[in-house]
Amino acid sequence: EPEVTQTPSHQVTQMGQEVILRCVPISNHLYFYWYRQILGQKVEFLVSFYNNEISEKSEIFDDQFSVERPDGSNFTLKIRSTKLEDSAMYFCASSEDPPADTQYFGPGTRLTVL
Amino acid sequence: KNQVEQSPQSLIILEGKNCTLQCNYTVSPFSNLRWYKQDTGRGPVSLTIMTFSENTKSNGRYTATLDADTKQSSLHITASQLSDSASYICVVSAIGGGADGLTFGKGTHLIIQP
Repeated sequence: EPEVTQTPSHQVTQMGQEVILRCVPISNHLYFYWYRQILGQKVEFLVSFYNNEISEKSEIFDDQFSVERPDGSNFTLKIRSTKLEDSAMYFCASSEDPPADTQYFGPGTRLTVL
Repeated sequence: KNQVEQSPQSLIILEGKNCTLQCNYTVSPFSNLRWYKQDTGRGPVSLTIMTFSENTKSNGRYTATLDADTKQSSLHITASQLSDSASYICVVSAIGGGADGLTFGKGTHLIIQP
């Protein structure tokens, strides 16, 4: 069964460094998302992406964040200058149709900022 | 403000027993409600998705109910297994809300003991 994959599974970085989290969505899906989950808290929406552009973003998704689909398969989240509070699990998701459809989540990348 | 409240926060039951998890929401206008299972350190996996007109939907041993009048949903797990140990997240979607219109609950942490 097709699935969303994410790399790396765990990323440790120093405060102020740039990180890039990578995702490969399900191949026939058109909508892509990034979410984060701080330890012990609920999942929070960051951004959605469709037709090579951001369709929605939350207040969390400030100028420090950017997304890109550099080729036909990868979908990346870049954090330009990491802060301690960026430490969280970051989940990529994709869906075949608009967000009303079921979203399939990847296994997540655990980001630890020291 | 759209909100999703889940109860109980955590639950411990013996293997083989049944349990019911609750979700109350104030999301408006309502589009659909989803239940996800999230294993520790993994991404959420969709169990059911229900629209306004659906009162009940089953997926194996999982049965979700929806009362759109009282804005309540429940997830019933029958004959629990050790592998059911996970967090169960209720997510409610607003019409026209897009991905940012998804409101996540904090989840119920379920532990199945042998």
